[in-house]
Amino acid sequence: DTGVSQNPRHKITKRGQNVTFRCDPISEHNRLYWYRQTLGQGPEFLTYFQNEAQLEKSRLLSDRFSAERPKGSFSTLEIQRTEQGDSAMYLCASIASGGTEAFFGQGTRLTVV
Amino acid sequence: AQSVTQPDIHITVSEGASLELRCNYSYGATPYLFWYVQSPGQGLQLLLKYFSGDTLVQGIKGFEAEFKRSQSSFNLRKPSVHWSDAAEYFCAVHAMEYGNKLVFGAGTILRVKS
Repeated sequence: DTGVSQNPRHKITKRGQNVTFRCDPISEHNRLYWYRQTLGQGPEFLTYFQNEAQLEKSRLLSDRFSAERPKGSFSTLEIQRTEQGDSAMYLCASIASGGTEAFFGQGTRLTVV
Repeated sequence: AQSVTQPDIHITVSEGASLELRCNYSYGATPYLFWYVQSPGQGLQLLLKYFSGDTLVQGIKGFEAEFKRSQSSFNLRKPSVHWSDAAEYFCAVHAMEYGNKLVFGAGTILRVKS
């Protein structure tokens, strides 16, 4: 197992465009989390899934953001009509059933120009 | 409000010197406590965690942390810092009554001078 994988690693997009990020968790980890990290801040929770069910969403997750985990394996995070304020590192983490340790991917760095 | 506070934004220590990074939390009950490390452009790696029991926990890379309930603190320590320890360190809390998620402090950037 190669750990949590995120693609792409870097994304530069123009304001107003839509972007989609993918996260492949460690296999058989049933919990999957998305976090956003801006410069000088710790990661901020966005949303999490248990299997395919999205169980919690942060108020940070505006209606331009949507996340899916259709088969309980990989997840996608889509941002519509990107704004400069969306520029950040987007981190994905997974946790095994009954586990407590979150394993993080290397993140997707989004730059909106 | 529930929060995790890391009072030091930057810390600089000499190689070989000891290190202590501070973390305080404000939650009603004792949550699960974690320290993560992040190198530039990388994801987060777990250093150590505390759930219950012995209040001094050992982690990877020679780090340890001590939970002090009376001070709501979980400070990270290392007796002798190596240049490769330069990174950003995050304290995190998992308190189920506030959601099944980690809440992170703002981080402390560690610089090591030779």
